[in-house]
Amino acid sequence: EDQVTQSPEALRLQEGESSSLNCSYTVSGLRGLFWYRQDPGKGPEFLFTLYSAGEEKEKERLKATLTKKESFLHITAPKPEDSATYLCAVQPPPSGTYKYIFGTGTRLKVLA
Amino acid sequence: DGGITQSPKYLFRKEGQNVTLSCEQNLNHDAMYWYRQDPGQGLRLIYYSQIVNDFQKGDIAEGYSVSREKKESFPLTVTSAQKNPTAFYLCASITGQGSGNTIYFGEGSWLTVV
Repeated sequence: EDQVTQSPEALRLQEGESSSLNCSYTVSGLRGLFWYRQDPGKGPEFLFTLYSAGEEKEKERLKATLTKKESFLHITAPKPEDSATYLCAVQPPPSGTYKYIFGTGTRLKVLA
Repeated sequence: DGGITQSPKYLFRKEGQNVTLSCEQNLNHDAMYWYRQDPGQGLRLIYYSQIVNDFQKGDIAEGYSVSREKKESFPLTVTSAQKNPTAFYLCASITGQGSGNTIYFGEGSWLTVV
């Protein structure tokens, strides 16, 4: 069964303390892997799309990487405003499908 | 600005009542989706529509209905048959129907049964 698992479920960091969030998936082949940020009571905000192993993308303090089995969201020198839930999703084959599989997210709290 | 607009933000439903959540997008996206989000669970697909006048059931369609009369609009009706409707509902859309397309979300609607 296609599955997406995110870890840890929750993470508390001090401001400036870098860390990584993990998204592991069990799909055969991958059409795309997506990272989102979700603030309480809001819809998910798109961050990154990754398509193939070895690909990396960066935005401000965030960097997403992809291997054949997992993706990491690296947060460098986080600030309190980075506190949010980070969601990962994958789109398995076949192509043209409607299907996206979401993880349950990692709740990040950055303390000042 | 282009985006996905959901309304209302908060909605209360009495027992036995049907309610409709609105979703409008001006991104010229072809496919639209409705997801339900509950605490501790990943997003679960209710319905999706790839083109106008066509839609398919997702994983948890029972107790819900949709229509797609216009490309821009994809309203969701939560019927009285849905026994546990209290949740956060998210509308989403993608451009085209190909693979690897990023899915974009609206701001969500909270539905509470009173």
